[in-house]
Amino acid sequence: DAGITQSPRYKITETGRQVTLMCHQTWSHSYMFWYRQDLGHGLRLIYYSAAADITDKGEVSDGYVVSRSKTENFPLTLESATRSQTSVYFCASRGIRDILLGEQYFGPGTRLTVT
Amino acid sequence: AQTVTQSQPEMSVQEAETVTLSCTYDTSENNYYLFWYKQPPSRQMILVIRQEAYKQQNATENRFSVNFQKAAKSFSLKISDSQLGDTAMYFCAFITNNAGNMLTFGGGTRLMVKP
Repeated sequence: DAGITQSPRYKITETGRQVTLMCHQTWSHSYMFWYRQDLGHGLRLIYYSAAADITDKGEVSDGYVVSRSKTENFPLTLESATRSQTSVYFCASRGIRDILLGEQYFGPGTRLTVT
Repeated sequence: AQTVTQSQPEMSVQEAETVTLSCTYDTSENNYYLFWYKQPPSRQMILVIRQEAYKQQNATENRFSVNFQKAAKSFSLKISDSQLGDTAMYFCAFITNNAGNMLTFGGGTRLMVKP
């Protein structure tokens, strides 16, 4: 399917476990982003990537790890999940040309619950 | 620091009437882009309208229009002829040329359109 997809859509895990959220886009966009959405905070940037093998921290990166070995994939890993990481996670992407327009294209989100 | 403030956590409007959602932002940059995103219960983030800061003319997209006051750093969204399908969370966001990788979001306004 064309577009940007996330998996899983829902995940329940226990404190201390490692969990990886997947993001895949088919547009060959250069930029990819991970956000978390919490009540009252809107969306906050966790990590972003400008190209394969180039990643950088966002506003709330502690406790998260990313990689980008291929342009189309941008997995987000919680190395040791904590309850404070219970949230909805959104992946987004943007092409280089889109910088002029500023628009980002969002995936459907993953609801993660850490018990 | 760049911030976005949406002072109305929740609003309601009768179907077919007009409602205005408020947004203020803070940045020291002169060139930037402003956005309103809609998030219905499906959680999908949908771009509603975009405004380039260098343009004085307010953007309009069908029933959606903005009132952009650059000096006041205000960017309100007006929804005319409200429809039940407009029920959603609305997020104000902006991105600057110097921070081209980061969308900064407000905390959101939950809009309920009543029949």
